[in-house]
Amino acid sequence: AQSVTQLGSHVSVSEGALVLLRCNYSSSVPPYLFWYVQYPNQGLQLLLKYTSAATLVKGINGFEAEFKKSETSFHLTKPSAHMSDAAEYFCAVSDARDTGNQFYFGTGTSLTVIP
Amino acid sequence: DSGVTQTPKHLITATGQRVTLRCSPRSGDLSVYWYQQSLDQGLQFLIQYYNGEERAKGNILERFSAQQFPDLHSELNLSSLELGDSALYFCASKPGGGRGNEQFFGPGTRLTVL
Repeated sequence: AQSVTQLGSHVSVSEGALVLLRCNYSSSVPPYLFWYVQYPNQGLQLLLKYTSAATLVKGINGFEAEFKKSETSFHLTKPSAHMSDAAEYFCAVSDARDTGNQFYFGTGTSLTVIP
Repeated sequence: DSGVTQTPKHLITATGQRVTLRCSPRSGDLSVYWYQQSLDQGLQFLIQYYNGEERAKGNILERFSAQQFPDLHSELNLSSLELGDSALYFCASKPGGGRGNEQFFGPGTRLTVL
């Protein structure tokens, strides 16, 4: 089965600083990778996804992620944090070999933005 | 708005009771996934249905069951409820085929068991 590891369950950054949220996956075949954001009391919303096209993927709200096969990583970045970025972020991997294309989610990273 | 609807939004019940959570997927989406999110367990995959048939099972308790109806809406049934079942329950839908397609999440049902 696939697995996803998100390093750092809590990350704090100052407003205007770089945001870096880490995600590593395990997969023996090229996976499909996703980042979701969850604001308080809301469902998960897709930020961006990697589906074997460009390795640098741009998403909504100024976020981007780079797929690095050699490092089995898909870290999420944003050059300048905004107060509205405070939320929970989940990395997920989908393995097309799985019946039903099941998603495997990481444990999440809570991002705090300090004014 | 993801296009996925869930009812009710909040549910408060007592231990030992049974509840049903409802999910309507996005128009045309054939797959429905159910997740449980709690503070101590994180986001846990429960079960998936595809076009009316069970496709994959995750960490779903025997006290829980689900089904997907011909109109593609899905229901998650939770019985003999325990305090530990208090959580947010999400459903997500996904189009059929297209391995790179994302799941679209509903707003969730918050279940409180007293």
